[in-house]
Amino acid sequence: SQTIHQWPATLVQPVGSPLSLECTVEGTSNPNLYWYRQAAGRGLQLLFYSVGIGQISSEVPQNLSASRPQDRQFILSSKKLLLSDSGFYLCAWSGRVGRLKSGELFFGEGSRLTVL
Amino acid sequence: AQKITQTQPGMFVQEKEAVTLDCTYDTSDPSYGLFWYKQPSSGEMIFLIYQGSYDQQNATEGRYSLNFQKARKSANLVISASQLGDSAMYFCAIWAGTSYGKLTFGQGTILTVHP
Repeated sequence: SQTIHQWPATLVQPVGSPLSLECTVEGTSNPNLYWYRQAAGRGLQLLFYSVGIGQISSEVPQNLSASRPQDRQFILSSKKLLLSDSGFYLCAWSGRVGRLKSGELFFGEGSRLTVL
Repeated sequence: AQKITQTQPGMFVQEKEAVTLDCTYDTSDPSYGLFWYKQPSSGEMIFLIYQGSYDQQNATEGRYSLNFQKARKSANLVISASQLGDSAMYFCAIWAGTSYGKLTFGQGTILTVHP
């Protein structure tokens, strides 16, 4: 069966410090990968998605970047964190069109980032 | 672009009773998918139910059913026989057309189940 893991689970970082959140998927190949952010008490906002190695699309302009160095690895980064980067970050994967009928997203456990 | 509106910031229900969480959507694309996810206080996102725009019947998954009214663009979630463990945040989400897999989420509804 497929699993998705992301880490670290909790992170407290000072303003201006770098960030690296990592996500890996097991049990499937060539997934679509996504990074979402959830501000406190709000819905999820899509930040990045990737359909393959090295293929990243950004949905909103921001202080963050994403990379996909391997098929099942997705990394969210920042060179210098801002206070507004605080939030709950969720990695997710989905199958290709036709492989999973619904386009359902499968989420990781989430990473809670606090920037001080 | 597609949009989801959840107008109920919070809902309360008595244990063992049914509750309906509202969701309306907006898209001009005839092909779309609608989802409901549950987010407990732990933060994980749990898939509950899916409805495709071409599905003829309303989706059901155990105690969850989706009241899909296409003409009104609504996709309300009905939870029957509420349990204390149903207390959580609930999100409605949509993908449409070429945005397959890229879900747009509503703001969520916090459901509290009272004993």
